[in-house]
Amino acid sequence: EAGVVQSPRYKIIEKKQPVAFWCNPISGHNTLYWYRQNLGQGPELLIRYENEEAVDDSQLPKDRFSAERLKGVDSTLKIQPAELGDSAVYLCASSLGLAGGRTIQETQYFGPGTRLLVL
Amino acid sequence: AQTVTQSQPEMSVQEAETVTLSCTYDTSESDYYLFWYKQPPSRQMILVIRQEAYKQQNATENRFSVNFQKAAKSFSLKISDSQLGDAAMYFCAQDSNYQLIWGAGTKLIIKP
Repeated sequence: EAGVVQSPRYKIIEKKQPVAFWCNPISGHNTLYWYRQNLGQGPELLIRYENEEAVDDSQLPKDRFSAERLKGVDSTLKIQPAELGDSAVYLCASSLGLAGGRTIQETQYFGPGTRLLVL
Repeated sequence: AQTVTQSQPEMSVQEAETVTLSCTYDTSESDYYLFWYKQPPSRQMILVIRQEAYKQQNATENRFSVNFQKAAKSFSLKISDSQLGDAAMYFCAQDSNYQLIWGAGTKLIIKP
């Protein structure tokens, strides 16, 4: 079974440029998460999707970040314009997402991440 | 606010020896889950072990086991017979309100 796929693995851009990250979750997983991980820290949740609905985007900086999950499968996270402080690793994870249950009790499977460097 | 604390930024152990990584958390919930994740230099985060708070029995997964002390809000990870492939960052996490609260991580170094 294929794991969570992310692309690109690395991205270097200049500040004020736009950038997009793509994630393909494990087949059949309804819940999808985007995290940001700064060096030496644990991941920080940006947004959580249940199917195509963003059920928790409280920590997503909405002035420059946007995300979508069309058809409840693949997801794209966009930053426009990027700032120096956005340099980090962006992780995507997915879990089964049992209907009506607490999804967090399920294992989250992570992709390899995208390392973003903003110059 | 819920917090997860890993007080050991770095630990080292001799290959084949046993090492214990510490984790404490702060929650007012009675039903929750705790996790240990491993992140090798390749950055793929992998679940090592998880514990359900309502279960008194400590979880085990092969060479990995936990010491879960609910009253003390402590959740340590023991790695037995350490192997070179165990070298990684280890993160402790607790679920809260449909999201994971993460510790800052412990870097585990395996000495050959």
